[in-house]
Amino acid sequence: DQQVKQNSPSLSVQEGRISILNCDYTNSMFDYFLWYKKYPAEGPTFLISISSIKDKNEDGRFTVFLNKSAKHLSLHIVPSQPGDSAVYFCAASALDMRFGAGTRLTVKP
Amino acid sequence: NAGVTQTPKFQVLKTGQSMTLQCAQDMNHEYMSWYRQDPGMGLRLIHYSVGAGITDQGEVPNGYNVSRSTTEDFPLRLLSAAPSQTSVYFCASQPVQGNQPQHFGDGTRLSIL
Repeated sequence: DQQVKQNSPSLSVQEGRISILNCDYTNSMFDYFLWYKKYPAEGPTFLISISSIKDKNEDGRFTVFLNKSAKHLSLHIVPSQPGDSAVYFCAASALDMRFGAGTRLTVKP
Repeated sequence: NAGVTQTPKFQVLKTGQSMTLQCAQDMNHEYMSWYRQDPGMGLRLIHYSVGAGITDQGEVPNGYNVSRSTTEDFPLRLLSAAPSQTSVYFCASQPVQGNQPQHFGDGTRLSIL
């Protein structure tokens, strides 16, 4: 039973445009949400997080939005750069962390 | 600062063999965990530890054992490898259990024939 779902296995965008990655969760006990970025042959690296008491958190080109009523969060990358090409994992935590299956983002020059 | 170090990076085993995947962190983190990554499944929690001497099961613990004799080390043991355990294994740590980002190692790619 996957409690965190990323329904888009892949996403392709043009350099300079916005990338929007989506994530849905089912467990209402989750109170902390994160996005990780993963390059091939490396471990995931932390990108940005948001607490359930907020609905938006911004860090440079990266913004995470949380809609608790819809149990949905999204990651916006503006502007997208070729170096952003990676697999992005959404994660949710209620003491222990649960991960989505990942979305492979490709940013084309 | 090495962070989280996993060894080996690659391993091929035969069905029924045993093996220990090593994980060490130098950040004095109390919380450590093991995940496996499979296509279409994301990362699934195998076992975790909230401190030396304390371990607990995650989502998919069957077939795996762990121990935590020191803060730094958290080895994962496969007692009798099965083809279903072919996966990429990641070790992670964070200062304490709770709402904080985890630091991941670079993974061990394990194939069971």
